[in-house]
Parts: sequence; structure tokens; C-alpha cells
Amino acid sequence: KAGVTQTPRYLIKTRGQQVTLSCSPISGHRSVSWYQQTPGQGLQFLFEYFSETQRNKGNFPGRFSGRQFSNSRSEMNVSTLELGDSALYLCASSLGIQATTGELFFGEGSRLTVL
Amino acid sequence: AQTVTQSQPEMSVQEAETVTLSCTYDTSESDYYLFWYKQPPSRQMILVIRQEAYKQQNATENRFSVNFQKAAKSFSLKISDSQLGDAAMYFCAYRSSQTGANSKLTFGKGITLSVRP
Repeated sequence: KAGVTQTPRYLIKTRGQQVTLSCSPISGHRSVSWYQQTPGQGLQFLFEYFSETQRNKGNFPGRFSGRQFSNSRSEMNVSTLELGDSALYLCASSLGIQATTGELFFGEGSRLTVL
Repeated sequence: AQTVTQSQPEMSVQEAETVTLSCTYDTSESDYYLFWYKQPPSRQMILVIRQEAYKQQNATENRFSVNFQKAAKSFSLKISDSQLGDAAMYFCAYRSSQTGANSKLTFGKGITLSVRP
């Protein structure tokens, strides 16, 4: 079974631009969540989508948005990029079923550098 | 809000020896899940071990075991017979059992484990 696939793996943008990151979950997984990883802040939860609906949201500004498609693939978008948005963005998928331990399966991440 | 603290940023262990990674957390909830994730240099995070708070028995997965002290809010990971492939960053994580929090993990800052041959 294929794992979680994130594209692109690396990208460089300049301040003020926008970026879209893509995540394809493991087949059969309906939940996709996104995390931002930086050396200073560590891993921070961005949001979770389940069946095309945002189910949970972290404490990030509105410049960070996402969506999920009917095939469970997800995209996240960051508009008006700032230097502080430079980070590794991790996507994780899970079955999304409540009342389970809900193991998350992570992708390798998209490394965003903002210049 | 829940918090997870990993106070040791780095640790080193000799191959074949045992090492314990510490983690404490703070929560007002009585039911939750705790995890240890491993992130090797290739960056893909993988689950090492999980613990349900309502279970008193400590979880074990081969060479990995936890010491879960609910009253003390402590969740340490013990790695026995350390191998070179265990070198990685290890994250302790908390997840509420409440509805709507299914995939929201709160992570500690992580600890970098090196294994000396």
C-alpha cells in the first residue's frame, strides 16, 4: 500500500507570494491533517480535514487555509508569504474514525523556504 | 490547553545499551492517548509506541517500552539494546479523546538521540 505522498518536496518562494502544497493520503484514509515544523516552534497543528470538511483548526492566521477533495486528497495554501513561514510542512493521514487511537501516518514533508 | 514537555534536547547512547527518553505533559482530562514518534534524518515520522491513558499496563513494542505514570503525568520511552538505526529525533505527543480532536496531536519539542557504535 502506498504511503502518504506530499508534493512538492522542496520549494523556494519570495515574500508576498502564495504557495499550494498537496497531500495524497493512504488509500482508504479519510482524514488528512497538516502540521508545521520549525526549529523554534517545533511541530504545530494547522488543521484537519475529514470527508471534505474542516474538523479541527490550530492557532494560525487566516493566510493558512486548506481543503480536501472527494478522493481525500488535500491541499494547503499559504498566501502573502512571510519569512517566518519557512518550515517543513507535514501531512498526515488516518482512518479518521472516532474512539480509536487514530495512528497518524506522515508524509516526508514539503520544505518551504521563503526569501 | 494541553502541553507536552521534553526537557532534554539531546541524548547519546552506546550501541546495545539502554536509554530512557523523558516526557511530561499537562492536562485536565482524564482520558487521552500518548504517543512516541520517531523522525529519522529522512524526515518521515513513524509511530514507535502508543499508550491509552485508561490502561494501567505500560505499552511494549519489541525493544521499546514506556513507563506511564498517570498521576505524575509522565510518559518516558525506554529503548533497549540500542541500534544504530535508532538514531533519530523522538517526539512525545498527546491526543485528547474528546470528540473532534481525532487527529490533533500536541507534540513536545523533541529529543535528538545519537547512537555511538
